[in-house]
Amino acid sequence: GAGVSQSPSNKVTEKGKDVELRCDPISGHTALYWYRQSLGQGLEFLIYFQGNSAPDKSGLPSDRFSAERTGGSVSTLTIQRTQQEDSAVYLCASSLAPHPYEQYFGPGTRLTVT
Amino acid sequence: QKEVEQDPGPLSVPEGAIVSLNCTYSNSAFQYFMWYRQYSRKGPELLMYTYSSGNKEDGRFTAQVDKSSKYISLFIRDSQPSDSATYLCAMMTGGYNKLIFGAGTRLAVHP
Repeated sequence: GAGVSQSPSNKVTEKGKDVELRCDPISGHTALYWYRQSLGQGLEFLIYFQGNSAPDKSGLPSDRFSAERTGGSVSTLTIQRTQQEDSAVYLCASSLAPHPYEQYFGPGTRLTVT
Repeated sequence: QKEVEQDPGPLSVPEGAIVSLNCTYSNSAFQYFMWYRQYSRKGPELLMYTYSSGNKEDGRFTAQVDKSSKYISLFIRDSQPSDSATYLCAMMTGGYNKLIFGAGTRLAVHP
């Protein structure tokens, strides 16, 4: 079946602009995660959604970052007033609720802030 | 000190070799241990997961967890050029759903 999809695959933006990154999880997966992968930092957790529960936002690096999940499916990660240090690959993953250790990743969005 | 330590490599081996990849960790609350493979400019792909201590085998891949030493390993037998990728270890506690990743080890298998 279809895997996790993300769009756009690449995004170049100017410093100070806002960006929106989209994630479509695997159908039926109720848990959705955002991670960031940057050189020198590895893969770091950003935010986690599970069903209708309040999201776990403990990994968001600043209040410029926010995410929402509509209808329990598609999620959007928004970065306001982008900075050069936001340049990274943003990865989305999804899993079935009983198996959070089996997270399936999308191809990522490569964000470059100039 | 990072919660999960992984040697970034690169590791270069000839085709057919046995490859050993390792991670150490400091958080004794970790209960789930995963290995992901990531090809260049692709998302990580889940290879295997292990709960608590012990071994798990899947084809040419074997994962080992030693909780007493806080040490996990992934062995690749009969390595192939198609195994050339970055291998990431990841861990999770029982009550928390975020993955904590190692830095990844870059592996090159040459013909």
